[in-house]
Amino acid sequence: QSVLTQPPSASGTPGQRVSISCSGSSPNIGSDYVHWYQQLPGTAPKVLIYRNNQRPSGVSDRFSGSKSGTSASLAISGLRSEDEAEYYCAAWDASLSGWLFGGGTRLTVL
Amino acid sequence: QVQLQQSGPGLVKPSQTLSLTCAISGDSVSSKSAAWSWIRQSPSRGLEWLGRTYYRSKWYNEYALSVKSRITINPDTSKNQFSLRLNSVTPEDTAVYYCARGQGWVDVWGQGTTVTVSS
Repeated sequence: QSVLTQPPSASGTPGQRVSISCSGSSPNIGSDYVHWYQQLPGTAPKVLIYRNNQRPSGVSDRFSGSKSGTSASLAISGLRSEDEAEYYCAAWDASLSGWLFGGGTRLTVL
Repeated sequence: QVQLQQSGPGLVKPSQTLSLTCAISGDSVSSKSAAWSWIRQSPSRGLEWLGRTYYRSKWYNEYALSVKSRITINPDTSKNQFSLRLNSVTPEDTAVYYCARGQGWVDVWGQGTTVTVSS
């Protein structure tokens, strides 16, 4: 069981806006940045959002991130079929001195 | 463009040592702004960070508590690569293993190596 908690699944129709939550605690999300990764089947994860709300170049502005206290969320607007993937949050945990990943959320575009 | 190329066996017997290597191109294992990690993924454990090595005037290693007694990550400056050794493996160590670059977050991943622990 992951220390960072995500819903196992989320869904939406094309064009909709969906949000994926990530809940942690003081030593991780509460005291450090949150990052989000997208993983397509059979490939390595790819960073979507870093430092809570920053997008790497090349990542669509349909993806956005936010953080409040010990929780964070990833929002995807204008949902497209190619957004179907697994999404993971991650944060450094100061008490464990290590990286933590959420359990992942499988996004389905209906 | 930074690329990471993984190599190593895909099958390891129980109680033996898992060894993987990650060759770096486009960056240096001795970079003072990067850290080099090993991360694994399995259906039962999800994504799990195993540890990292990095250079900041001297070499540092940090390991996940879950594998700390069994893991070694070593840099090889002569070949610009880093390696993973995981001792005393069990079937629970069966996973896809990734090497990765990242100080604050992972921005480059290796291609992944599927390692099965089985006799």
